[in-house]
Amino acid sequence: GQQLNQSPQSMFIQEGEDVSMNCTSSSIFNTWLWYKQEPGEGPVLLIALYKAGELTSNGRLTAQFGITRKDSFLNISASIPSDVGIYFCAGAISSGSARQLTFGSGTQLTVLP
Amino acid sequence: DTEVTQTPKHLVMGMTNKKSLKCEQHMGHRAMYWYKQKAKKPPELMFVYSYEKLSINESVPSRFSPECPNSSLLNLHLHALQPEDSALYLCASSQVDMGFLREKLFFGSGTQLSVL
Repeated sequence: GQQLNQSPQSMFIQEGEDVSMNCTSSSIFNTWLWYKQEPGEGPVLLIALYKAGELTSNGRLTAQFGITRKDSFLNISASIPSDVGIYFCAGAISSGSARQLTFGSGTQLTVLP
Repeated sequence: DTEVTQTPKHLVMGMTNKKSLKCEQHMGHRAMYWYKQKAKKPPELMFVYSYEKLSINESVPSRFSPECPNSSLLNLHLHALQPEDSALYLCASSQVDMGFLREKLFFGSGTQLSVL
């Protein structure tokens, strides 16, 4: 099956800094999704990308669907303490009647005051 | 209302117990999912229901038994679990368009399960 390599595995940054993380795959995906998960909660959808080259923003978050359809990145600008959590990328490809999601391994973000 | 509600939030059970996890959504989604998540790992798909019918079972042991009583409710019945089954169990839902499960999943907060 498809595998997603997400990096970095963890990041420690100062409040106010910008953050960048990415996911790469050996396979093509039709859709890229970015989720954030805080301790004790389920993943929350941040951004969904549907077209190669697409650049989408959600407040301080910006994500891009790579031109090759095998990668995606997420940027967070001017980080704040509530950005702490695990960020997961997920790629989807049609398979029969289902669009199966493959999750990346996650990026653990810590924001230091 | 974009909520998926899961109960209970926490559950501790012995290996001989029978318990059930419950999930409810009122977004009109016709696909519902169970995922298992270990600490600091990505969610792993267990089951998918589409229009109240089981469409995907990812080779999950029979000690996990899903049930979809109607389009808003999803249960996961647990029996004779092992300590390694301790994890966060997440329910999710999505739309279905023209027979295709949409990839945008909306997750509940999960049930943190501990098997002693």
